[in-house]
Amino acid sequence: AQKITQTQPGMFVQEKEAVTLDCTYDTSDPSYGLFWYKQPSSGEMIFLIYQGSYDQQNATEGRYSLNFQKARKSANLVISASQLGDSAMYFCAMREDNTGNQFYFGTGTSLTVIP
Amino acid sequence: EAEVAQSPRYKITEKSQAVAFWCDPISGHATLYWYRQILGQGPELLVQFQDESVVDDSQLPKDRFSAERLKGVDSTLKIQPAELGDSAMYLCASRKRGLYNEQFFGPGTRLTVL
Repeated sequence: AQKITQTQPGMFVQEKEAVTLDCTYDTSDPSYGLFWYKQPSSGEMIFLIYQGSYDQQNATEGRYSLNFQKARKSANLVISASQLGDSAMYFCAMREDNTGNQFYFGTGTSLTVIP
Repeated sequence: EAEVAQSPRYKITEKSQAVAFWCDPISGHATLYWYRQILGQGPELLVQFQDESVVDDSQLPKDRFSAERLKGVDSTLKIQPAELGDSAMYLCASRKRGLYNEQFFGPGTRLTVL
C-alpha cells in the first residue's frame, strides 16, 4: 500500500486565489510527521511546512497552511493568495518516528498559477 | 545560510561506465539521505546514514550501487556500471538529530545515461 497518496497530478489556480493540494497517508505508527515540499523546475526541494501527529493545531507558515484531519489521515496543503512563483511541483511526505526516520514521498502535484 | 552541497550538478555518461556523486551535508547534521527521483515521480530513498552507519539501504540496487560516509560527514554515491534506467535526478538531504526536524535538500545531480 502507498504510504502517501496525492491524487491530483495537475492543478491550475488563478493568481491571488487560494488553492488546496490533497494528500492522504497511511501509517499505523502513532507518532509521525507530515511535510510539504516545493520543487521548482530547477530541481531543488524546498521545505514548506511541517505537522506533527500530536500537534493539536494546524500548522501555518506565511501563505501556507496545512489542513490536518487525523481521523481521515489527510494533510492537505492550502496556499493562499497564489503568486506566479508558486508554479511548481508539490510533494507531500511522511516520516514514521518509530521506523528509522525514513521519509516517504507522494507522486506530487504540478501547480500552475495563471495570471 | 548553510546548505547541502552536491556535485556535479549534471552528469552525462555512457552505459557501462562508472559514475560517482558527492554530497556535503549541513554541518552538524547527523542523518544523510540519498534519493533517486525519476522524472514525474516523487523521490525514492536509496540509502540513509546515521553518522557513518547505514540505517536503511533496502532500496539500493547493491549489485551496481554503493554508498559510503566514512567519517560521518560527506558522502559518495557510486554507480558501476551505469544503465539506461539509471537516468534520474539524485538528491541528497540532511537532517539534524531529533524527531521534529525536517530534512534539507541539496540541488541534486541530474544523471543522463546514453
